[in-house]
Amino acid sequence: AQTVTQSQPEMSVQEAETVTLSCTYDTSENNYYLFWYKQPPSRQMILVIRQEAYKQQNATENRFSVNFQKAAKSFSLKISDSQLGDTAMYFCAFMKPLYSGAQKLVFGQGTRLTINP
Amino acid sequence: DVKVTQSSRYLVKRTGEKVFLECVQDMDHENMFWYRQDPGLGLRLIYFSYDVKMKEKGDIPEGYSVSREKKERFSLILESASTNQTSMYLCASQGFGTDTQYFGPGTRLTVL
Repeated sequence: AQTVTQSQPEMSVQEAETVTLSCTYDTSENNYYLFWYKQPPSRQMILVIRQEAYKQQNATENRFSVNFQKAAKSFSLKISDSQLGDTAMYFCAFMKPLYSGAQKLVFGQGTRLTINP
Repeated sequence: DVKVTQSSRYLVKRTGEKVFLECVQDMDHENMFWYRQDPGLGLRLIYFSYDVKMKEKGDIPEGYSVSREKKERFSLILESASTNQTSMYLCASQGFGTDTQYFGPGTRLTVL
C-alpha cells in the first residue's frame, strides 16, 4: 500500500519569505501522480500543483513549484514571495493510476502553514 | 468551474441516530468519493463510487454506508452514529480518466 508522510505538522514564516514544505512517499509503482492541495481556513480544498511521475521536469504554477526527486521518493513544495493568503493547511497526496474505475488519493497528515505580516 | 456542494456545513447529532450526508456535483463526473479528515491523520477514504449504483470500500468503511442512485449525487450514511464518528467529512468528484479531484466545502459532524 502507498503511504505519504509530511514530517512538518506546523510551519510559520514572514510575509514575502520563501518556504518549503516536505513530503515523502512510499510506492512500488513506476507511474503515478503527486499533488499538493491547499485547505484555507474557510475549508474548501483546492489543488495547488500536480506532478506526473514520468515527467522529469518539476512542475511550476506561478509562485508555487515542486522539487520532485523520484529516486528519493520526495516531493517538496516551494512557495516563493509568500502572501498572507497562503495561510492554510497543505496536503501532499499520491494517486496510483487505475485504468478502470476510480483513482484514489492517498493523503499525508498535512502541514499547517502560517504566513505572518 | 466544477462545483461540489454538501448539504450541511455543520451538523450535530445524538449517539445512535441515523445520519445522512449529501453531496452533489454538477460536472457529470463518474467518480465520487467520501473522506473524513482528522487532525494529524490527514484525509482518509471511506467509500467511493465509479458509477451509478456502484460503490467500493475505501480504507475506513466500518460504520458507514453509501448510496448513489443518480450520477450527480453521492450520499454517506451513518447507520447508528457514534462519538468516534465526530469529524470533518469531505466529498470529492473526479471525471473518468482525469487525475484531479474537486472537493466540496466539508461537513463538520459532531456526535454527542
